[in-house]
Amino acid sequence: NAGVMQNPRHLVRRRGQEARLRCSPMKGHSHVYWYRQLPEEGLKFMVYLQKENIIDESGMPKERFSAEFPKEGPSILRIQQVVRGDSAAYFCASSPGQGAEQYFGPGTRLTVT
Amino acid sequence: GENVEQHPSTLSVQEGDSAVIKCTYSDSASNYFPWYKQELGKRPQLIIDIRSNVGEKKDQRIAVTLNKTAKHFSLHITETQPEDSAVYFCAASGAGTASKLTFGTGTRLQVTL
Repeated sequence: NAGVMQNPRHLVRRRGQEARLRCSPMKGHSHVYWYRQLPEEGLKFMVYLQKENIIDESGMPKERFSAEFPKEGPSILRIQQVVRGDSAAYFCASSPGQGAEQYFGPGTRLTVT
Repeated sequence: GENVEQHPSTLSVQEGDSAVIKCTYSDSASNYFPWYKQELGKRPQLIIDIRSNVGEKKDQRIAVTLNKTAKHFSLHITETQPEDSAVYFCAASGAGTASKLTFGTGTRLQVTL
């Protein structure tokens, strides 16, 4: 049973470009959470999705950030017009249900130059 | 919203000694409290969790205690080994759509020989 998969593992973007981060949950998991971790800091919640639904996006910046979890395929976190402050590690976690344990993927380390 | 505080921020113990990390939370509706271990450059790894209907849970050298009245929970690691060196994060979440994790700021544990 493969764990949570994320790709790419490392992503370099110039300021103003778009970044697309992908997350495939564990088999049998239909709940996906995205978290951001700045260097030497803790993890901050961004968004919680189920298939085709955004359940909680209270941690998402109002502009430039969006997320989806389509019926088929991975969940995608999209950052438009990236700025240097977006440089961070972005982790997704999957869960078999609301309130159940969350298992993290290896993360995508985004560097904005 | 939920706020989780974690202490200490760094902890150094000798191999074989015990380590204790403490967290407090603010939202009395929180009912799930996981602990994650994160090694440098790696994903957060779930090591133990506890739910609010339980006061203590143990798994080999690791134990977690929960005091719902005081809104605090603790991680205890006994007989520490060098491979226990990592950053440890506590987290809290609620039920249903409130199942996002709110993390503490982390404790860097160093186990010295």
